[in-house]
Amino acid sequence: GQQVMQIPQYQHVQEGEDFTTYCNSSTTLSNIQWYKQRPGGHPVFLIQLVKSGEVKKQKRLTFQFGEAKKNSSLHITATQTTDVGTYFCAGPGGGGADGLTFGKGTHLIIQP
Amino acid sequence: GAVVSQHPSRVICKSGTSVKIECRSLDFQATTMFWYRQFPKQSLMLMATSNEGSKATYEQGVEKDKFLINHASLTLSTLTVTSAHPEDSSFYICSAAPGQGLVQYFGPGTRLTVT
Repeated sequence: GQQVMQIPQYQHVQEGEDFTTYCNSSTTLSNIQWYKQRPGGHPVFLIQLVKSGEVKKQKRLTFQFGEAKKNSSLHITATQTTDVGTYFCAGPGGGGADGLTFGKGTHLIIQP
Repeated sequence: GAVVSQHPSRVICKSGTSVKIECRSLDFQATTMFWYRQFPKQSLMLMATSNEGSKATYEQGVEKDKFLINHASLTLSTLTVTSAHPEDSSFYICSAAPGQGLVQYFGPGTRLTVT
């Protein structure tokens, strides 16, 4: 079945430094979604990318979808303590019509 | 934005008992809801797709007789963990989408502890 791989698993940064997490799929994705989960919380939808080579920005967050629609990245510029959490990418998959296959997530730890 | 609620948020039960978890979409109708399971510091694993008015679709390896899903209305899906065992202790999260192919909104999750 489809696999979504995400690296790194953990990332420690100093506040103010940049952060990037990468997501790779074994198959071409029709779309990819990104979620953020704060410690003890539930995943919150950030964005969905659909088009090949698409780049979207949300303030300090930049999301990219690869040309082959098999990889994606999330880049945060000048991290802040509020960015702490786990960032998951997710692609369509599973037995259901729209069930998601999640990557393992990247835990972002920020040191003030 | 779309809101999905879950009840209860935490539950502790004894081994052998059953626990029901409710998932509600509060401000939109969802013909399809999803149930995920998340172990500590791990990713979400799709357990099943809950279809309103029909049987749920279970992922490979998920026991349908153990994890009973009912989707009685367009705003409510329930997951019942039957004859719970300590290894069923986990974080169960539901999600719902306003329509097919649209993004999913997650509930706050239910922490199940089986003693």
